[in-house]
Amino acid sequence: QEQLVESGGGVVQPGRSLRLSCAGSGFTFSRYAMHWARQAPGKGLEWVAVIWSDGSNKDYADSVKGRFTISRDNSKNTLYLQMSTLRAEDTALYYCARGGYCSGASCYLDYWGQGTLVTVSS
Amino acid sequence: DIVMTQSPDSLAVFLGERATFNCTSSQSVLYSSNNKNYLAWYQQKPGQPPKLLIYWASTRESGVPDRFSGSGSGTDFTLTISSLQAEDVAVYYCQQYYSSPITFGQGTRLEIK
Repeated sequence: QEQLVESGGGVVQPGRSLRLSCAGSGFTFSRYAMHWARQAPGKGLEWVAVIWSDGSNKDYADSVKGRFTISRDNSKNTLYLQMSTLRAEDTALYYCARGGYCSGASCYLDYWGQGTLVTVSS
Repeated sequence: DIVMTQSPDSLAVFLGERATFNCTSSQSVLYSSNNKNYLAWYQQKPGQPPKLLIYWASTRESGVPDRFSGSGSGTDFTLTISSLQAEDVAVYYCQQYYSSPITFGQGTRLEIK
């Protein structure tokens, strides 16, 4: 069955960098757009970034544009999120999710990982 | 960006009774060329990731019990649980995928009365 497993979270100081990974299995990873979304403690869901199935296009939320980079390695069935210049407000549980039907960069998200926690604190 | 607004913020319903969630978008998410509403609903139980329940505003995801149903068009949408079960306690989110960035409502928390 479809599975997404995130890793790479942790505690990081403001201004520093961190890279998250998401390993997909149980489906043909290279056929799907993949997303990152986040959820601050006790808060709602916020979409972060998307990458097309072949990696040809990417899109970002304004809140992370210029600081975060989404990428993928289809040979390893793995999605990445490189986060730089981290801020306290980036503290959240970061989920990777598979795009179901997509209209351009906009998809509903049909499978989600369990998430990896990023805490930005000095 | 399309703003999604859910109401109420929280809801308490007796077991076996109907629960109704509302979601309004700041602009229509109905795509006229295919007559589809680009609206999804998710359920998030405590300590778990969101789970897709409904897409195209009214299509149930595989495996979702038929007590869950979605309706509405344009800017106003409803998720209904016809007969509340204890395992339905969760936060429910709507999401539009009509345009980028995809956006979520703030969520409605469902509790047992």
